[in-house]
Amino acid sequence: DAGVIQSPRHEVTEMGQEVTLRCKPISGHNSLFWYRQTMMRGLELLIYFNNNVPIDDSGMPEDRFSAKMPNASFSTLKIQPSEPRDSAVYFCASSLMGRTGELFFGEGSRLTVL
Amino acid sequence: KQEVTQIPAALSVPEGENLVLNCSFTDSAIYNLQWFRQDPGKGLTSLLLIQSSQREQTSGRLNASLDKSSGRSTLYIAASQPGDSATYLCAVYNAGNMLTFGGGTRLMVKP
Repeated sequence: DAGVIQSPRHEVTEMGQEVTLRCKPISGHNSLFWYRQTMMRGLELLIYFNNNVPIDDSGMPEDRFSAKMPNASFSTLKIQPSEPRDSAVYFCASSLMGRTGELFFGEGSRLTVL
Repeated sequence: KQEVTQIPAALSVPEGENLVLNCSFTDSAIYNLQWFRQDPGKGLTSLLLIQSSQREQTSGRLNASLDKSSGRSTLYIAASQPGDSATYLCAVYNAGNMLTFGGGTRLMVKP
């Protein structure tokens, strides 16, 4: 299995621009998570999908952030408009049994907003 | 609210030493606990998953224990190698349906 696949690996953009991060979970997994990692705050859960339905989006910082999962094999995290404080590594993870199953992470998307 | 603490934050040991990494959590009503390894610039790699009904899990030179009543887990690494150098994170799934990560322990194994 190829594991969780994220793109792009690196993104540098200017403040105000739209950013779209993409994730392909492990085939057969029914849960997908988006995390953000920074030095100051560590790993933060942004949103969690189960069977393509958003279950918990309480971690989404503000309305500038949105996430979709149109099917079981694809999810996007969009930031519009982006701000310098959004600079972080964004991870996607998937699991088979909801929140109690083993979690597998992608390599992350490093976002820099200038 | 669940809080997960990992001590020490950083650790440096000579090659060959056995070592223990600690993870403590405040809410003992957990479903399971997972240990991860993160190399610089990389994602998190799952090492061990311990269900709440289990006391320990072993994989190669790694052994993780879980004591729910005291809110503690330890990751034991036997005969450490330079390739073990990484940041180790623990994460707990608790009854509030939340996954909470500790801040990690940055391990350096010197040749």
